[in-house]
Amino acid sequence: QVQLQESGPGLVKPSQTLSLTCTVSGGSMSSGTSYWSWIRQHPGGGLEWIGHIYYSGSTYYNPSLKSRLAMSIDTSKNEFSLRLSSVTAADTALYFCARGGTVPADYFDYWGQGTLVTVSS
Amino acid sequence: DIQMTQSPSSLSVSVGDRVTITCRAGQIISNYLAWYQQKPGKAPKLLIYDSSRLQSGAPSRFSGSGSGTDFTLIISSLQPEDFATYYCQQSYSVPPTFGQGTKVEIK
Repeated sequence: QVQLQESGPGLVKPSQTLSLTCTVSGGSMSSGTSYWSWIRQHPGGGLEWIGHIYYSGSTYYNPSLKSRLAMSIDTSKNEFSLRLSSVTAADTALYFCARGGTVPADYFDYWGQGTLVTVSS
Repeated sequence: DIQMTQSPSSLSVSVGDRVTITCRAGQIISNYLAWYQQKPGKAPKLLIYDSSRLQSGAPSRFSGSGSGTDFTLIISSLQPEDFATYYCQQSYSVPPTFGQGTKVEIK
């Protein structure tokens, strides 16, 4: 059973960088069978896909966030990370990591429980 | 980006009711459509993928249909644990995009 767990600060100051890590258990990220995504949900809002990373390190970012976004992967630790720079209150959201399929656009079958990030001074 | 539009945005129903939720894509997406259930404070749970395939572990009262631009999620007989928000998501092209959600509430 694959499990994902997000970790990182719950409070970030405006203009600073939001950093989150997702640790995957129950499967090896280096097997190359999945794309690994970040998805967020604003309070009371819908779901917004942020971007994904493949085991090789190749990434695709949502164009709306691309200029502020960086993702990385460490297959030896079975984890991947998100860095979102120059945050504002609009980045306050529940952040999920999720496992996609074997193609860049796919559905998400396993999700982390989510971590709430608040941007505030 | 492909826009996904769900209807209705909310509905009030009773246990045992048949529930129908629709999702329309802004362009043809073949059958690359998934449905999720989300309860407050929890992660979405995959119910249906490829428009009509039931995810392992999802109850058989959930079914999906459609192709092209128009899709439907049906709950054949609503159970108390089904009160939640449902989202569709296209998996045709990146970036994957979600509908705005349909909240199923108790009448």
